[in-house]
Amino acid sequence: ETGVTQSPTHLIKTRGQQVTLRCSSQSGHNTVSWYQQALGQGPQFIFQYYREEENGRGNFPPRFSGLQFPNYSSELNVNALELDDSALYLCASSQDRVGAKNIQYFGAGTRLSVL
Amino acid sequence: DQQVKQNSPSLSVQEGRISILNCDYTNSMFDYFLWYKKYPAEGPTFLISISSIKDKNEDGRFTVFLNKSAKHLSLHIVPSQPGDSAVYFCAASAGGAGNMLTFGGGTRLMVKP
Repeated sequence: ETGVTQSPTHLIKTRGQQVTLRCSSQSGHNTVSWYQQALGQGPQFIFQYYREEENGRGNFPPRFSGLQFPNYSSELNVNALELDDSALYLCASSQDRVGAKNIQYFGAGTRLSVL
Repeated sequence: DQQVKQNSPSLSVQEGRISILNCDYTNSMFDYFLWYKKYPAEGPTFLISISSIKDKNEDGRFTVFLNKSAKHLSLHIVPSQPGDSAVYFCAASAGGAGNMLTFGGGTRLMVKP
């Protein structure tokens, strides 16, 4: 059973650019959530995708967008990058099964630096 | 407005002793609570969880206690081992909220040999 994998591991962009981060969910999981973790803070929920549709969104502007594909993998897109977007971006997957539903399993993250 | 707070940024404990990590929350709608452990350069790893219908859940060396009236939970690690040294995050979710997790700021645990 493979875990959650994210790519790339590190990324450097300049202000104003656009970035796409990728995530493959754990086998058997159909729900993917994205989180942003700034240095020294806990992860903050960006949004979640369930069966290819957005299923909840945190307090992030529309320039943060996402996709989920039929194989349940996912992308996070950020347009018009700002310096404050520099953070670790974490992807987590979960099953939509009662009891296991709330357990999210995380990937190692993508470290984004915006210069 | 921090709905989940971990007021101790760091904790140092001697190997073999008990580690107690604390977490407070403000949102009464939270009904499921989780602890994650994070090593550098790795993603958070799920450790243990508890539903709001319980007040204690145990898994090996790890026990989570929930006090709903005080809106407080704690993680006990007994006995502590050097390999437990990591950042521990408390997280909470509300039923029907699509599994959105609200995290605390984390507590760095250092277990000294």
